[in-house]
Amino acid sequence: AQSVTQLDSQVPVFEEAPVELRCNYSSSVSVYLFWYVQYPNQGLQLLLKYLSGSTLVKGINGFEAEFNKSQTSFHLRKPSVHISDTAEYFCAVSGGTGANNLFFGTGTRLTVIP
Amino acid sequence: SAVISQKPSRDICQRGTSLTIQCQVDSQVTMMFWYRQQPGQSLTLIATANQGSEATYESGFVIDKFPISRPNLTFSTLTVSNMSPEDSSIYLCSVSRTGYEQYFGPGTRLTVT
Repeated sequence: AQSVTQLDSQVPVFEEAPVELRCNYSSSVSVYLFWYVQYPNQGLQLLLKYLSGSTLVKGINGFEAEFNKSQTSFHLRKPSVHISDTAEYFCAVSGGTGANNLFFGTGTRLTVIP
Repeated sequence: SAVISQKPSRDICQRGTSLTIQCQVDSQVTMMFWYRQQPGQSLTLIATANQGSEATYESGFVIDKFPISRPNLTFSTLTVSNMSPEDSSIYLCSVSRTGYEQYFGPGTRLTVT
């Protein structure tokens, strides 16, 4: 079975500063990895995904993430955050024969401080 | 991606009653799912909605409590039956065409009093 650990429940960061949201996963099979963002009172929006190929994936809103198989990590980064990036961020994993079943982390609340 | 709508967007219900949530997609999709997000928590998969057959429920969720219908490839409903305050959550449907990434609806915020 797969599982996801998001190490930081809350991350405050000043506007225009860089940010990294950490995600580690455990799985005995090949995985597909995702980051979703949830703005207040809204559903989840897919930020980016890793299915195969290049380990550095770029997503929407200037976010990127790097798949590191040896460290079983998929950290999310942005070089310069904006106030509008304040939201909850979820890392998720699916894999093996259950590719249609997503396992979510507990989420990281990113707060951008003016 | 896909355009997904849910009705209602929110509701306040009395305990012991039932609420049916609708999920509509703008085009045919292979897979549809229902998730629950309890206050301050992450998402938990309730079931996979199968077109033309019974839904596949995850451990801890049963059909009597969360009956699901999927009459075609663009529509599904989730009913929360005999509600209690512990059912207060956001309920989200999601869809997948590829079996890899999923796209989520805006959610239904349910409060049970």
